Amino acid sequence: GQQVMQIPQYQHVQEGEDFTTYCNSSTTLSNIQWYKQRPGGHPVFLIQLVKSGEVKKQKRLTFQFGEAKKNSSLHITATQTTDVGTYFCAANNAGNNRKLIWGLGTSLAVNP
Amino acid sequence: GAVVSQHPSRVICKSGTSVKIECRSLDFQATTMFWYRQFPKQSLMLMATSNEGSKATYEQGVEKDKFLINHASLTLSTLTVTSAHPEDSSFYICSASVGTGTGIETQYFGPGTRLLVL
Repeated sequence: GQQVMQIPQYQHVQEGEDFTTYCNSSTTLSNIQWYKQRPGGHPVFLIQLVKSGEVKKQKRLTFQFGEAKKNSSLHITATQTTDVGTYFCAANNAGNNRKLIWGLGTSLAVNP
Repeated sequence: GAVVSQHPSRVICKSGTSVKIECRSLDFQATTMFWYRQFPKQSLMLMATSNEGSKATYEQGVEKDKFLINHASLTLSTLTVTSAHPEDSSFYICSASVGTGTGIETQYFGPGTRLLVL
């Protein structure tokens, strides 16, 4: 079935370093969504990408959707301790666009 | 943004009892809600899709008689864990599907319910 692979699973960085998580699919995606879950919290919607090659920015966060719409990335510039959490990518299911297919998430730890 | 509440936030119960979790969309109507289960340091596992006015659609491997879902109104879905056992202990999260006007749905999550079965 449809799958979304996400790497890396874990990432430790020093505060101020950059961080990137990648999401890949073997099939073309209609869209990609990114969520952040803080430790002990629930997932919070960050952004949605729809267009081929789309790039969106939210302050220090840059989101990209590949030209082939099979991969996406989230890049954080100059990480801060408030960036700690797990970042999930998700894509609408091809057969049921209300269901989301979730990546396994990338857990980010930031050392002050 | 859309706000989803979930109650209770935390529950401890004895083995064999049933636990009901409520999920409410506070400022919008949700024809579709989702119930997830999440184990520590793992991704979200979709349990079922809750459809207002009709039966829930369960994912493969999820026992519908064990996890009863009711979506009686456009703002409320409930998940009842029947005859709970220690292995049912987990973090249960609901979400409501919201259309973005582009044919794509995003999900807004409730704060989750931590269930501990003794």
